[in-house]
Parts: sequence; structure tokens; C-alpha cells
Amino acid sequence: QVQLVESGGGVVQPGRSLRLSCAASGFTFSSYGMHWVRQAPGKGLEWVAVIWYDGSNKYYADSVKGRFTISRDNSKNTLYLQMNSLRAEDTAVYYCAREGWGTGYCSGGSCYSKGYYFDYWGQGTLVTVSS
Amino acid sequence: EIVLTQSPATLSLSPGERATLSCRASQSVSSYLAWYQQKPGQAPRLLIYDASNRATGIPARFSGSGSGTDFTLTISSLEPEDFAVYYCQQRSNWPRYTFGQGTKLEIK
Repeated sequence: QVQLVESGGGVVQPGRSLRLSCAASGFTFSSYGMHWVRQAPGKGLEWVAVIWYDGSNKYYADSVKGRFTISRDNSKNTLYLQMNSLRAEDTAVYYCAREGWGTGYCSGGSCYSKGYYFDYWGQGTLVTVSS
Repeated sequence: EIVLTQSPATLSLSPGERATLSCRASQSVSSYLAWYQQKPGQAPRLLIYDASNRATGIPARFSGSGSGTDFTLTISSLEPEDFAVYYCQQRSNWPRYTFGQGTKLEIK
């Protein structure tokens, strides 16, 4: 079964850095785009970043562009989010999420997702930015 | 950027009743719309994708409809476990994504 387990959250001072990890299992990690989505306390969901199945493309929400970096290690089935220059408004539960298959395609014997929705989510890790 | 507006903000119903939740997009998103359910302290769960396709394991009482700018999530007969917050989501200026602000479905 698909499992996504985030770690690395905690309390950090404004301006400092933190790296989140998401360990994936139960599926072919290297075939799926992966996302980070966050939720501030008592608020709605906000998409943060996406990385394509092979790491070749990365895109960010304007609110984190230039401060956050998404990456992945397909050999370790792990997704990362490096968060620098943290601000109080970055306080949130951070979820990693798998991209749905969507209009996925196969090429060269391998298949890759191309969806716009998120079909599996981790349990989330809380990041609190406070002095 | 495409904005998703959900209504109502809060919906108060009793178990067994029919729930109708709305999501309106500021411009056409074709059928590229998904719905999620989130219970307190839990991660969101995908219910519907491509406006009307139920995700794996989602009960048949959940259905989605619509295209273009107006979408509806219907729960035909509410079960106690259905009381939660529901979000719609679409790809806004792909590959960027947006969510609606949510509808809280509460027990009357």
C-alpha cells in the first residue's frame, strides 16, 4: 500500500532554515511527480511546490519562490523540501502528496504520471516559525 | 490566476440528508477539478477527480458533476463520518495549483 511519511518539522526561529523529508513506499516512486502542500493553523490548503518524476522540473508557489527548494532522491524513495529564510507566515503543517496518474504516459519501457490532483498524502509535519 | 470560490462556507445538515456543495472557478477549467475531504487532525483524502470520477475506495454516495466554471459535489445520504471540511482544487496556470477556501459540513 502507498505510504508517505514526513519528518523534519519543528520549531525554528525566523530567518533560519529547516529541511523536511518524505519517505515513500508501496509504489514506483520514480514514476510519479511529487508535491508539497501546506496548511496554516485553522486555515485552508496551499500548494507549495512540485517536482517531476525525474527531478528535471520544479515549480513553486510565489509565496515560497526563492526561499524553498524541492528535491528528490529516487534511489532512496525520498522527497525533500529545503526551507530557507523562514518567516512566521510559513508556520503550517506540511504535507507531501503524490501526483495522480492523470494523463500519464509510457516511454522507453517506463511510465510516468501527469496528473493535476493529489491521490495520496502523508500525515503531515508541523513547522512552527517563532522567536 | 484562476480563483476557486466554494459555497456555502458552512453547511448544517442531519445524517441521512442530501448535501450539495458548490465550487465556482473564475474562468473555465474544463473538467480538471478535484474534490477532497479533510477531517480534524487528518490529511486530506481525494474523493473526486476530473470533476466526476470517484477515487479508489470512495463510496458511491459521493458524486461530482460540472464542467467549465461550475462544479458540484453531492453526498446523496449523509453518514456520520461524512461531516468534515471539503475542498475543491484545480491546476491554475499549470504547473501551479489552487484550492478553494473550503466548505465545512457540520451536523445540524
